[in-house]
Amino acid sequence: AQSVTQLDSHVSVSEGTPVLLRCNYSSSYSPSLFWYVQHPNKGLQLLLKYTSAATLVKGINGFEAEFKKSETSFHLTKPSAHMSDAAEYFCVVGGDSSYKLIFGSGTRLLVRP
Amino acid sequence: NAGVTQTPKFQVLKTGQSMTLQCAQDMNHEYMSWYRQDPGMGLRLIHYSVGAGITDQGEVPNGYNVSRSTTEDFPLRLLSAAPSQTSVYFCASSPRLLLETQYFGPGTRLLVL
Repeated sequence: AQSVTQLDSHVSVSEGTPVLLRCNYSSSYSPSLFWYVQHPNKGLQLLLKYTSAATLVKGINGFEAEFKKSETSFHLTKPSAHMSDAAEYFCVVGGDSSYKLIFGSGTRLLVRP
Repeated sequence: NAGVTQTPKFQVLKTGQSMTLQCAQDMNHEYMSWYRQDPGMGLRLIHYSVGAGITDQGEVPNGYNVSRSTTEDFPLRLLSAAPSQTSVYFCASSPRLLLETQYFGPGTRLLVL
């Protein structure tokens, strides 16, 4: 069975400082992993995805994530937060035979001026 | 392309009423799915379809029906609404496989009294 855990429900950073959103997964298969972002009252948008190519994945808007198999982690980072990054972020795992995506519970990112 | 569209944007129902949430995509995607989003629980899969005429259950299918008579449309039916179905509902599609980028609609906010 697959599962995904987002370790922080809320993260608050100052504008211009680094962002770290943590995600751990469990999968008996070689997983595919995604990060999606949801701005207030909007649908979800793909930030980046890992599908067994390079372990460091670059996404949109300066975000990147590193797949670490030994730690079963897929943390999302950005060197410098912008006010427009304030949103909810979802870590998602997929790839087993049931063809279903499993969403984490989400991390709400607050960016302080 | 309009992408993934959902109607209505907001709906209020009384307990026991039925209704259909509409979802359409104009990208010729084979895979479509319905999720519900509840606070602190991320998105949970209700039903999905891998092509016209083919549907299957997700994590939380009880109380919902779907059909896929065309590639474009994937309506979600609430048979007898209950307060526990108060949620935000998202439809998503992807070109072929689940593990490709999911394109999400803007959501339908449903309140069941």
